[in-house]
Amino acid sequence: DVKVTQSSRYLVKRTGEKVFLECVQDMDHENMFWYRQDPGLGLRLIYFSYDVKMKEKGDIPEGYSVSREKKERFSLILESASTNQTSMYLCASSSPGLDPYEQYFGPGTRLTVT
Amino acid sequence: GQQLNQSPQSMFIQEGEDVSMNCTSSSIFNTWLWYKQDPGEGPVLLIALYKAGELTSNGRLTAQFGITRKDSFLNISASIPSDVGIYFCAGQPFDISNFGNEKLTFGTGTRLTIIP
Repeated sequence: DVKVTQSSRYLVKRTGEKVFLECVQDMDHENMFWYRQDPGLGLRLIYFSYDVKMKEKGDIPEGYSVSREKKERFSLILESASTNQTSMYLCASSSPGLDPYEQYFGPGTRLTVT
Repeated sequence: GQQLNQSPQSMFIQEGEDVSMNCTSSSIFNTWLWYKQDPGEGPVLLIALYKAGELTSNGRLTAQFGITRKDSFLNISASIPSDVGIYFCAGQPFDISNFGNEKLTFGTGTRLTIIP
C-alpha cells in the first residue's frame, strides 16, 4: 500500500510566522504535489515536483515555496503566514509509468493562521 | 486553469438507494479518476479510467469514461452509511503542452449524505 504521511494533522500559527509543512512518501514515487482545499473551490495545485530538486508552480503558488532535497520528502513553506492561507493542505505522490495520473494523498494538515 | 463541472454539489439519500454523479468538461480529457474523501482525511482513489467508453467497477461502485471524452460518471449501488463523504472527479486534459506533465484537474466535489 502506498503511504503518504504529513507531519501534522492540525497546526495553528500566527500571522507573519514562517510555516513548514512536511510530506513523506514511502513508495519511491518521482512526482509529489501540494494542494490546498477550500470549501466550494475543490483542490487547487500549489506546487509540484517531478524529481529531486526540481519544482514547478501550480495554479496558486503566490505566498508559498517548496523544497525537495530527497526523493521521499516534499516540503511546503509559507514564508510569512497570512490569514488567507488558513486552509486544508494536502500532499500527494504519483509515479510515471503504467498509471502516471493516479495520485495518492496524505491525510492532510488543517492550518489555521490567526 | 481548466475547470471541471461536477454535479450534483450535494445529495441526500436514504440507505439502500443508488447514487449517480457526473463530471463534465468543455475540452477533451485523457484520463478520468474518481476519489472519495472522508471527513478530516485525504482523498482516496476509487477508480481510474484511461479509455473512452471504458466501464470499470470496484465493488458497488461503477465509473464510466464518456465516449466524447468530455465527461465521466460514477454510480454507487445500494448505498450504505460508510459511503458518506465527498466524491471528487479528476482528470488529465488532452493538451500537447501537458505531454509528460502528470498534473490533474479536480472537480469541486459531490457531498453525499445518508438520511437515517
